Amino acid sequence: QLVLTQSPSASASLGASVKLTCTLSSGHSSYAIAWHQQQPEKGPRYLMKLNSDGSHNKGDGIPDRFSGSTSGAERYLTISSLQSEDEADYYCQTWGTGSNWVFGGGTKLTVL
Amino acid sequence: QVQLVQSGAEVKKPGASVKVSCKASGYTFSHYGISWVRQAPGQGLEWMGWISPYNGNTNYAQKLQGRVTMTTDTSTSTAYMELRSLRSDDTAIYYCAREAGDYWGQGTLVTVSS
Repeated sequence: QLVLTQSPSASASLGASVKLTCTLSSGHSSYAIAWHQQQPEKGPRYLMKLNSDGSHNKGDGIPDRFSGSTSGAERYLTISSLQSEDEADYYCQTWGTGSNWVFGGGTKLTVL
Repeated sequence: QVQLVQSGAEVKKPGASVKVSCKASGYTFSHYGISWVRQAPGQGLEWMGWISPYNGNTNYAQKLQGRVTMTTDTSTSTAYMELRSLRSDDTAIYYCAREAGDYWGQGTLVTVSS
């Protein structure tokens, strides 16, 4: 079964970097994922599509501070030079059979 | 630029139906499927289903089978999501999104309350 696992929370200081993790279930390590950001009281915003080879395509206007990387079944989102507006929920999402989507549970990022 | 613009908030009674629209612009509507996602208060994102505007094919989440219908009108580049037999736990913000996940609508709050 295709499952995405995320830690419920993360925190980092203003100006620092943070690396969020999304883990694909066994047998699905070749899947691409997308990262979405959801700021408080706003809708989701597409950040990037991250492929299994680590290549990624960012959405319109996404700053260079956001980057993606891959290691096996793990997909990472790194945010550098953290700003207060980066405090948000971050969801990973992938595509299963029949165009169905699967979401991770989300990571709530707190900027200290 | 690509935009998905959804219809306004709705308040419905239990047992009623709701139909949310999602009007696309800035791209060829038939070239990309549309997924619908909902988010209950304080909860994560839940995928509801997908429709191809090209041929009308659909794929619904198992838990919503029999209660949800997704359609499109290619003449107006609009996708629709109808949910029937509403319950209080259907209270959520409903989003449409392009199948690549790269563009989202602004969301439609549906409140189910007696």
